[in-house]
Amino acid sequence: QQQVKQSPQSLIVQKGGISIINCAYENTAFDYFPWYQQFPGKGPALLIAIRPDVSEKKEGRFTISFNKSAKQFSLHIMDSQPGDSATYFCAASKTGANNLFFGTGTRLTVIP
Amino acid sequence: DGGITQSPKYLFRKEGQNVTLSCEQNLNHDAMYWYRQDPGQGLRLIYYSQIVNDFQKGDIAEGYSVSREKKESFPLTVTSAQKNPTAFYLCASSIMGGQNYEQYFGPGTRLTVT
Repeated sequence: QQQVKQSPQSLIVQKGGISIINCAYENTAFDYFPWYQQFPGKGPALLIAIRPDVSEKKEGRFTISFNKSAKQFSLHIMDSQPGDSATYFCAASKTGANNLFFGTGTRLTVIP
Repeated sequence: DGGITQSPKYLFRKEGQNVTLSCEQNLNHDAMYWYRQDPGQGLRLIYYSQIVNDFQKGDIAEGYSVSREKKESFPLTVTSAQKNPTAFYLCASSIMGGQNYEQYFGPGTRLTVT
């Protein structure tokens, strides 16, 4: 059973546009929600993360929006650039458990 | 440079052979993890270890084995019992504690079994 559901599977955005990737979870014990970015042939790297005590976190062009009541969170990439083309994974975990539950990934392509 | 190294980058084996994937970290992290990545399925946890000489099964441990004899090393053996071993394997590490901590990933090993 997939603990974290991610959509869409793939996304094509024009340069300068906004990329939006959505995730949903069921386990209300989750209290840490990171996003990882993975380039082809490389391991994932942490991009940005949020805890449920805030509804939004912004780092540069990347923003996480968090809706605790709906058990959903999303990644917004503003002014998308071709260099942002990668696979993005959302994940979730709970305090005291080092395991991360990953979504299935979204392959983002930003066309010039 | 601090980080996680995985070797080799590409590995080819014949069906029925066991194969061991290497993972080494010099980040002084207590916890280490092995994930398997398949297209459209995200990352699935195979095994993890929080301390030397101890490890726990993840979601898909069948057909795999690990050891943790040293803090910095966590090799994964893909046995002949693993029915579909061809995949991209990722090793990760993190510090331990009550809060959630970032997992640092290695560059991965792509295993092809024919």
